[in-house]
Amino acid sequence: DIQMTQSPSTLSASVGDRVTITCRASQTISGWLAWYQHKPGKAPKLLIYKTSSLQSGVPSRFSGTGSGTEFSLTIGCLQPDDFATYYCHQYSSYSLFTFGPGTKVEI
Amino acid sequence: EVQLVESGGGLVQPGGSLRLSCAASGFTFSSYWMTWVRQAPGKGLVWVANIKEDGNAEYYVDSVRGRFTISRDNANNSLFLQMNYLGVDDTAVYYCATVGAATGPDYWGQGTPVTVSS
Repeated sequence: DIQMTQSPSTLSASVGDRVTITCRASQTISGWLAWYQHKPGKAPKLLIYKTSSLQSGVPSRFSGTGSGTEFSLTIGCLQPDDFATYYCHQYSSYSLFTFGPGTKVEI
Repeated sequence: EVQLVESGGGLVQPGGSLRLSCAASGFTFSSYWMTWVRQAPGKGLVWVANIKEDGNAEYYVDSVRGRFTISRDNANNSLFLQMNYLGVDDTAVYYCATVGAATGPDYWGQGTPVTVSS
């Protein structure tokens, strides 16, 4: 099984800050890594797919990078709407998807 | 516009069964893998199951394999999750989502809550 870890689990930040969340896979996933934003009572929102591709309609302050087993999501200039929980997700095989444990970005 | 609407959630006793449905519209349903993902109260997202476009392949997370069955009806643009032998640990909001070949899960429904309790 592929395990995903994220750090930090909670991140305290202010509007305007640049924040970075890190995700690590237990084995190489060939870049099949996505990032989601999730708010209570809402559907998860796809932000980044294939490590660094920005989903249509997502603001350019969101960016992703990484390779092998190490990945990161950066929010360039935190906005009030960005306070949420962020999940990384590996989808390297249809037989097994895995989400990271999540990072809560709070004020 | 892609729309996914889950239904069928509710309160069920431990050991009971429930069948979730996901009505799809706004895209060619039969061309996409589909997935179910759940979130238990206060916990993170957990992948539950995937089904191939034609329904001829299914995959499950270990914790539900043998108890849950994912299926689809491409003629009626519907996805299902049959859940048997439910336990309290199955209490969660269940989401259905499309799986893009490049994107992974991309379009999501709003979720349907399942509570397993006596």
